[in-house]
Amino acid sequence: DAGVTQSPTHLIKTRGQQVTLRCSPKSGHDTVSWYQQALGQGPQFIFQYYEEEERQRGNFPDRFSGHQFPNYSSELNVNALLLGDSALYLCASSWGRNTEAFFGQGTRLTVV
Amino acid sequence: AQSVTQLGSHVSVSEGALVLLRCNYSSSVPPYLFWYVQYPNQGLQLLLKYTSAATLVKGINGFEAEFKKSETSFHLTKPSAHMSDAAEYFCAVTFRGQNFVFGPGTRLSVLP
Repeated sequence: DAGVTQSPTHLIKTRGQQVTLRCSPKSGHDTVSWYQQALGQGPQFIFQYYEEEERQRGNFPDRFSGHQFPNYSSELNVNALLLGDSALYLCASSWGRNTEAFFGQGTRLTVV
Repeated sequence: AQSVTQLGSHVSVSEGALVLLRCNYSSSVPPYLFWYVQYPNQGLQLLLKYTSAATLVKGINGFEAEFKKSETSFHLTKPSAHMSDAAEYFCAVTFRGQNFVFGPGTRLSVLP
């Protein structure tokens, strides 16, 4: 079992550009959540996808959007990048409303 | 609404000494509580979880935590610190399928 996999591991983008991050959940998991972890802080919830729909959303602007595919994998899209979007983006997967979530290694996004 | 506070952004202990990392939570519903560990440039690894069963929870690597409802606490302990325990530790609260709310983290340093 490969666990939760995220790609790419590192990414450098310029202000104003758009970025797409990808996540494959742990085998058997159908729910994917995304978190943003700024340097020196705890992860902040962005949104959660279940059955290809956004089930919950945190306090993030509409520039942050996502998608879940029929195979449960997910994408996080960020438009009009700001310097403040530089962070580690973590994907977590779980099964249904099960409380235990498994995290990927994250994608380090740097906006210059 | 749920929230988590972690007293002490940085804790230093000597190798072999007791580790105590503090976590207090606020939740309007019976919480599920978690401790995660994060090593540099990595994702989050689950140490242990409380999901309304036994109040004393044992986790991996010799860590344990006790849920105290009256004190709204879920402190993490380890009897004897090892150099490999040096990392960032995050306490998190959730409730059945909802998103995780993380504390700001505590960086543990282990001195030889």
